[in-house]
Parts: sequence; structure tokens; C-alpha cells
Amino acid sequence: SAVISQKPSRDICQRGTSLTIQCQVDSQVTMMFWYRQQPGQSLTLIATANQGSEATYESGFVIDKFPISRPNLTFSTLTVSNMSPEDSSIYLCSVDREGANYGYTFGSGTRLTVV
Amino acid sequence: LAKTTQPISMDSYEGQEVNITCSHNNIATNDYITWYQQFPSQGPRFIIQGYKTKVTNEVASLFIPADRKSSTLSLPRVSLSDTAVYYCLVGYSTLTFGKGTMLLVSP
Repeated sequence: SAVISQKPSRDICQRGTSLTIQCQVDSQVTMMFWYRQQPGQSLTLIATANQGSEATYESGFVIDKFPISRPNLTFSTLTVSNMSPEDSSIYLCSVDREGANYGYTFGSGTRLTVV
Repeated sequence: LAKTTQPISMDSYEGQEVNITCSHNNIATNDYITWYQQFPSQGPRFIIQGYKTKVTNEVASLFIPADRKSSTLSLPRVSLSDTAVYYCLVGYSTLTFGKGTMLLVSP
């Protein structure tokens, strides 16, 4: 299965600033997914990113707040813009392992604290 | 997307078999059932996936009845390191996570 590297692993940011999270995969994948996990909660899908097209956002998430880039088949970034303390969460990227029938592989996540 | 219901928490002891059941009454024909394990400060880890009947791998078994409206993850002889949150997911192309089951294994 794919190996995912996420950077940074954690960060503490000032409110009003932006943070870009990188997700690098060791193999080419069609679909990449970005999730948010708030403290003590389950994972919530933010958006799906396909190479060469605009990301598809889930209800409650907008491109202005969470712009996503997908420049090639092994890399994606998620930016958390104009941050507030409510954005403090773990952000995870994931990819399909070998097609949807085989589950998904997740990165270790980026723990973001906004102060 | 099919909604899943599973117990919020379960307790067990080392060496016991643990069965976690998940209900998914409105599962669609194309949906697979997948279980993930998540430790604190880590991303979820794929455990097992199935479509119907029984699937077994080196870490767990997954039992799915004929109507596919539920599934049971079976962990044989759990150890302390199996303490984690276990998520049952139903879907095909994208994944929706429910609240998961917090399994606590005690000595």
C-alpha cells in the first residue's frame, strides 16, 4: 500500500494567519482526500482532490477557507486560511490503497493549534 | 451514504476475543464494509474489508450476514496494544466516518 508523508506534523499558529499542509505519496494515486478530526471527535471529510481538476468540497467546507492544490499524481496541499481557534484540529490526507475495494491509507496527520 | 451505528465503547481483558458489531441498515448494493483502527495521534489504519460472508486476515475476521445490514469485527486474543478506536465504514468511493468504538483492553 502507499506510504504517505505529511508535513508539518504539528504547528501552533496565530489567529488570522494561514497554514499550508503538504501530503506526499510514494506512488501515483488518482484520488486524494483531506479530513479534519477535531479534538475527541471522529473524522470529517473536507474535500476530494483529483489531479487536473478542482477539488470537490463537502457540505460545510468552502474553497476560500480550505484551498487545495493537486499539481500531480503524488502530491497535494491543503491550506487553512484566516485561522481561528475553532480550526484547531488534526488534518489528515488519505489515498485509496489500490482502488476503492481495498480501503484507504491515511497519513499520520498534522496537529494544528490556533492561538 | 449508508449510516453506521456501533457501540461507543467496549471493555475487554488481555487474551479475550472481542466482537464489535456495526449496524448499517441502508447499505447499498455496491458498498463494501471496511474497518479501521486508530491510535491517539495517528491516522486510521486499515484492518479488514468485506462484501459478504466471512473474511479473515492475519489480524481480524469480519462476519457479514446475508442481508448485509450489519457486520461484526472479531479480534482474537486481544492485547493491551489493541486499545484503540475502531471505525466501521460503509461505502464505495468516499468514506464517511461514524463515531467509532473505543476499545479498552485491560491486563
